[in-house]
Amino acid sequence: AAGVIQSPRHLIKEKRETATLKCYPIPRHDTVYWYQQGPGQDPQFLISFYEKMQSDKGSIPDRFSAQQFSDYHSELNMSSLELGDSALYFCASSLGPAGEPQETQYFGPGTRLLVL
Amino acid sequence: AQSVSQHNHHVILSEAASLELGCNYSYGGTVNLFWYVQYPGQHLQLLLKYFSGDPLVKGIKGFEAEFIKSKFSFNLRKPSVQWSDTAEYFCAVNAHQKVTFGTGTKLQVIP
Repeated sequence: AAGVIQSPRHLIKEKRETATLKCYPIPRHDTVYWYQQGPGQDPQFLISFYEKMQSDKGSIPDRFSAQQFSDYHSELNMSSLELGDSALYFCASSLGPAGEPQETQYFGPGTRLLVL
Repeated sequence: AQSVSQHNHHVILSEAASLELGCNYSYGGTVNLFWYVQYPGQHLQLLLKYFSGDPLVKGIKGFEAEFIKSKFSFNLRKPSVQWSDTAEYFCAVNAHQKVTFGTGTKLQVIP
């Protein structure tokens, strides 16, 4: 079965550079979530989108922005990168709006970002 | 806001030993509960989930979890672990489509 696709899988940037991470949800899934997992940390929710609109916002820095496109893929744009942004960035997708029944989030393989 | 506690940060077991990983959550409303596994160098994979119905949930690879509403717990169990179960296990709560993870439990199984 098709899974969540993330690109690139690995990315190396220098401080103050910008980065764009892409997420392609499972076909028919209309909701996308972004998580950041620092070294040895649990995943932290950043932001989510449903039907191309931001549906929820977590601990996403102002230097980051994201959007969901008409084909439901999403991009996380990160500017003025800092050393502390080095982490694994997961995207997850699910089907359905907020409310019952809650749908399971399926995670992509992640993009490992290293900021030097 | 919901929160998730995993009390065991690091567990070491011998092969064939039984496993129980604790998970407690705090949220006043209806929640959906999950256990995810992250093998070394890999992404999060869903082990099992609880939405409603039978509080004893069976997942993949012989894992099961029991939802005890009165204790706000969702402990993960496996009767006999294998070396290949070495991984990090995350309990998670989904309320209003926001997933909150516990801090994870690193399981090391010794052959």
